[in-house]
Amino acid sequence: GAGVSQSPSNKVTEKGKDVELRCDPISGHTALYWYRQSLGQGLEFLIYFQGNSAPDKSGLPSDRFSAERTGGSVSTLTIQRTQQEDSAVYLCASSRRGRDQPQHFGDGTRLSIL
Amino acid sequence: QKEVEQNSGPLSVPEGAIASLNCTYSDRGSQSFFWYRQYSGKSPELIMSIYSNGDKEDGRFTAQLNKASQYVSLLIRDSQPSDSATYLCAVADTGNQFYFGTGTSLTVIP
Repeated sequence: GAGVSQSPSNKVTEKGKDVELRCDPISGHTALYWYRQSLGQGLEFLIYFQGNSAPDKSGLPSDRFSAERTGGSVSTLTIQRTQQEDSAVYLCASSRRGRDQPQHFGDGTRLSIL
Repeated sequence: QKEVEQNSGPLSVPEGAIASLNCTYSDRGSQSFFWYRQYSGKSPELIMSIYSNGDKEDGRFTAQLNKASQYVSLLIRDSQPSDSATYLCAVADTGNQFYFGTGTSLTVIP
């Protein structure tokens, strides 16, 4: 079965440009999470969607970051006016509803800001 | 602020030994506990989940949970060089929000 799909796998862009990262969760998974992981560091929570509820945006580091989830499925993370410190791997995960449901991760998007 | 603490390591064990990885968490309301393995340059993959106090075994892996002490651990028996990775502890609350530790780096020496 298909896992969490993220695209692009790699993105190189110039400072100041906007980027969009896409996540397609596992079918039937109502929860979707975005994380950022800098080299050698742990997972930094960004945002969490659960079904049709309002997303938990508490981890977004600045107003340059936004995310949406259309139709309860695909999600797009947008970073505006990128800065060099935005360079990292952006990971998406999804899970079924329920307290005992683990997250399943995509392969991530490696973002490099020149 | 809900916190999950792990020793960052690095933890080195000889091949065939038992590797013991530990994790503590701050939120007594936490419901579910997971261990993920992350190889360098790869995304985390789930290896164990545990929900009740006690031990849960899966092959060479044993997860241990003690809710009273707010402590969860992972034991890897007969460690292999292929077990060398960073191990992430994750704790989920009743709202399905996950909190990850920063991970423990494990090296198994042949």
